[in-house]
Amino acid sequence: DIQMTQSPSSLSASVGDRVTITCRASQGISGYLAWFQQKPGKAPKSLIYAASSLQSGVPSRFSGSESGTDFTLTISSLQPEDFAIYFCQQYKSSPPTFGGGTKVEMK
Amino acid sequence: EVQLVESGGGLVQPGGSLRLSCAGSGFTFRGYWMHWVRRDPGKGLVWVSRINNDGTSTDYADFVKGRFTISRGNTENTLYLQMTSLRTEDTAIYYCARGGGAPNFLDYWGQGILVTVSS
Repeated sequence: DIQMTQSPSSLSASVGDRVTITCRASQGISGYLAWFQQKPGKAPKSLIYAASSLQSGVPSRFSGSESGTDFTLTISSLQPEDFAIYFCQQYKSSPPTFGGGTKVEMK
Repeated sequence: EVQLVESGGGLVQPGGSLRLSCAGSGFTFRGYWMHWVRRDPGKGLVWVSRINNDGTSTDYADFVKGRFTISRGNTENTLYLQMTSLRTEDTAIYYCARGGGAPNFLDYWGQGILVTVSS
């Protein structure tokens, strides 16, 4: 199985901050990576697919990038509604596997 | 609007059985692969099982193989997970998710249902 190592596991930030979260794949996944946001008691919401494509309706402050087996989710200017857990998912091969999650908390 | 709503969770004793359901709406259910994923307490997300769009092909994680059965009813737009021989380590929040675009890209998820295996 492809292992997804996500960092950091948590971070504290303020509204307006730039936030960066990273996932590293244990092998090449050719950009088959998605990012999700999850709030307590809610369904995970897809933000980005194919490493850098923004899902319809997702604010443009969210962006994704890829460098080899390293993938980054960036929130350019953190908003109050962005405090949540974020996780990545690879879908290059079966089984789909997930990063451990990053909890973005208010500083 | 795509919606997935899980039901059927609860408390069950070790060795017991439970059937989870996931009702899909807002999309052509029979056109998509469907998955079950779980979040173990204090741990990350782990894929459990998947079924292709017409129900003729299924896959399972090794830790549930032989104990869990995934199925679907395309007429009633519902995904199922029959869980038997439950163990305490099966305690988790179970999510159903749609395989959109690529079969393993889980583009829409339900909000999850808690299964607790305890005596």
